[in-house]
Amino acid sequence: GNSVTQMEGPVTLSEEAFLTINCTYTATGYPSLFWYVQYPGEGLQLLLKATKADDKGSNKGFEATYRKETTSFHLEKGSVQVSDSAVYFCALRSGAGSYQLTFGKGTKLSVIP
Amino acid sequence: ETGVTQTPRHLVMGMTNKKSLKCEQHLGHNAMYWYKQSAKKPLELMFVYNFKEQTENNSVPSRFSPECPNSSHLFLHLHTLQPEDSALYLCASSQASSGVDSGANVLTFGAGSRLTVL
Repeated sequence: GNSVTQMEGPVTLSEEAFLTINCTYTATGYPSLFWYVQYPGEGLQLLLKATKADDKGSNKGFEATYRKETTSFHLEKGSVQVSDSAVYFCALRSGAGSYQLTFGKGTKLSVIP
Repeated sequence: ETGVTQTPRHLVMGMTNKKSLKCEQHLGHNAMYWYKQSAKKPLELMFVYNFKEQTENNSVPSRFSPECPNSSHLFLHLHTLQPEDSALYLCASSQASSGVDSGANVLTFGAGSRLTVL
């Protein structure tokens, strides 16, 4: 079956530090890959997505590249801000006809001034 | 405002109570979902409705009963819950999954209903 593994948190960084949150997956076929973010007290919001190998999703300074050879979709940001403090979820969705979105456990990021 | 509204935001209930969670979306989507978010566990898909028809039930106990009267509304009826059912219940919606691009359909989530079972 499908599964998503992301690095354990929590992650604490100073403002303007470089961020990497690792995500690897196992899936049949050609899944679409997503990063969702959950700010305190809120639901999940889509941060970025990639639908095929070598695609790069980007949004708000965050980037992730769909690497089929390493089955990875690592999230990166060059300079984090305090406002980026949240829980980040890596997820995948299998191809046509599937409703199932498989999530990782989430990685809590805290950015300190 | 995400376009998916959940009420109530917080609910405390006893094990013998009956309550309902409500979800409403104004995005024109045709698929709606219930997820359970517990501490230190991945989000768990509970139910999926596509064009008001239930298409997935991930072995959810019968004390959780979903209802989807139309494509814009989704309910989760709760009765005789257990303390381990305490969690954040998230509703989401998307375009109905069909066609070659359905794998990329994006879910829009509500803010969740925080349930505490005493």
